[in-house]
Amino acid sequence: KQEVTQIPAALSVPEGENLVLNCSFTDSAIYNLQWFRQDPGKGLTSLLLIQSSQREQTSGRLNASLDKSSGRSTLYIAASQPGDSATYLCAVGNDYKLSFGAGTTVTVRA
Amino acid sequence: DVKVTQSSRYLVKRTGEKVFLECVQDMDHENMFWYRQDPGLGLRLIYFSYDVKMKEKGDIPEGYSVSREKKERFSLILESASTNQTSMYLCASSLSDSTDTQYFGPGTRLTVL
Repeated sequence: KQEVTQIPAALSVPEGENLVLNCSFTDSAIYNLQWFRQDPGKGLTSLLLIQSSQREQTSGRLNASLDKSSGRSTLYIAASQPGDSATYLCAVGNDYKLSFGAGTTVTVRA
Repeated sequence: DVKVTQSSRYLVKRTGEKVFLECVQDMDHENMFWYRQDPGLGLRLIYFSYDVKMKEKGDIPEGYSVSREKKERFSLILESASTNQTSMYLCASSLSDSTDTQYFGPGTRLTVL
């Protein structure tokens, strides 16, 4: 059974600092890995999708890397803003299913 | 833009009631999913469907059933609601392939008293 771990569980940084969020998974036979953002009481918004054959994906200030062999992914958010405050979830795709980590809750202080 | 809608944002039910949660997607997606999200446990897959009238159990199907009579609609049914089914329920859909992005609805916060 795929286990997905996200460390740290919570992070607080001053505005402008770069964010580094970590995700690890136990089974490297994955189809893809997705990063999501969730605001309090809301659904999930997809940020980046990395296919198993890819090493990284970029969108604006966001960059996600994938190292399948070591079972790790990292989400970088450059020059953080208060609007980046949210919970970030990593999800690993095997077949049709996603296995989720518990998330990292980020607070960006103005 | 893909749109996934859920019938209610908040729902309060009594123990033993039959509860229906509805999910509709407007992008002709093949796959639809129901998750529940609990503090400290993250999102867990209840059921998914890869075609009309087809369904597969997820990790925690006990106490739930599903129905998919039309491609765009996927219903989650709690036959006899219990207090331990108080949770946030999230519906998602994806195009056709297991490599496709999953798009999520806004969630239904269900409280069972």
